[in-house]
Amino acid sequence: QQQVKQSPQSLIVQKGGISIINCAYENTAFDYFPWYQQFPGKGPALLIAIRPDVSEKKEGRFTISFNKSAKQFSLHIMDSQPGDSATYFCAACRPYSGGYQKVTFGTGTKLQVIP
Amino acid sequence: DSGVTQTPKHLITATGQRVTLRCSPRSGDLSVYWYQQSLDQGLQFLIQYYNGEERAKGNILERFSAQQFPDLHSELNLSSLELGDSALYFCASSPRGGDYGYTFGSGTRLTVV
Repeated sequence: QQQVKQSPQSLIVQKGGISIINCAYENTAFDYFPWYQQFPGKGPALLIAIRPDVSEKKEGRFTISFNKSAKQFSLHIMDSQPGDSATYFCAACRPYSGGYQKVTFGTGTKLQVIP
Repeated sequence: DSGVTQTPKHLITATGQRVTLRCSPRSGDLSVYWYQQSLDQGLQFLIQYYNGEERAKGNILERFSAQQFPDLHSELNLSSLELGDSALYFCASSPRGGDYGYTFGSGTRLTVV
């Protein structure tokens, strides 16, 4: 129940195209869903995040779509650029009493944007 | 700079040795998490501390141990190192409560030869 399933494992998109990465979860206790972007040799960095009370969040070319009933969320990268080539991780967070959280990561998607 | 400081950045050591990786969380953050990432692999959760106490354990080997000190910095100790322990080790921190500001450090690259 703690798993977050992410697909695809890898993705090749042409410059200017739309990149779509999907994640699914089971545990309804999750209440915060961030996406992280990781460049080779670097730590993952928070890209965008959403809470389940909204169905979509957009920040620049990056959009999260959230389907609470289906327990699925996805990252859309519009007008994909070669500089977007990185590994993307979805995650799901849940709070615990005592004020701390647990974070479950997806397995990652390696995105390559070709010119 | 994410605010999470990891040292050293690189470490090369021989099999059978012991190393200590250090993490200073972002100012004000109480939770520290350790992750292992092997080449082209995902993030394997190792262990979590919150305000000095262990809160969750993942796939952490018995040869590995960690602790969080009163000043909230954390150390990950890896002993009897094997070639397969070569990986990037990341630390992340998050604050108390409902703010899920989960921030990663830049990692320590461990190479066991």
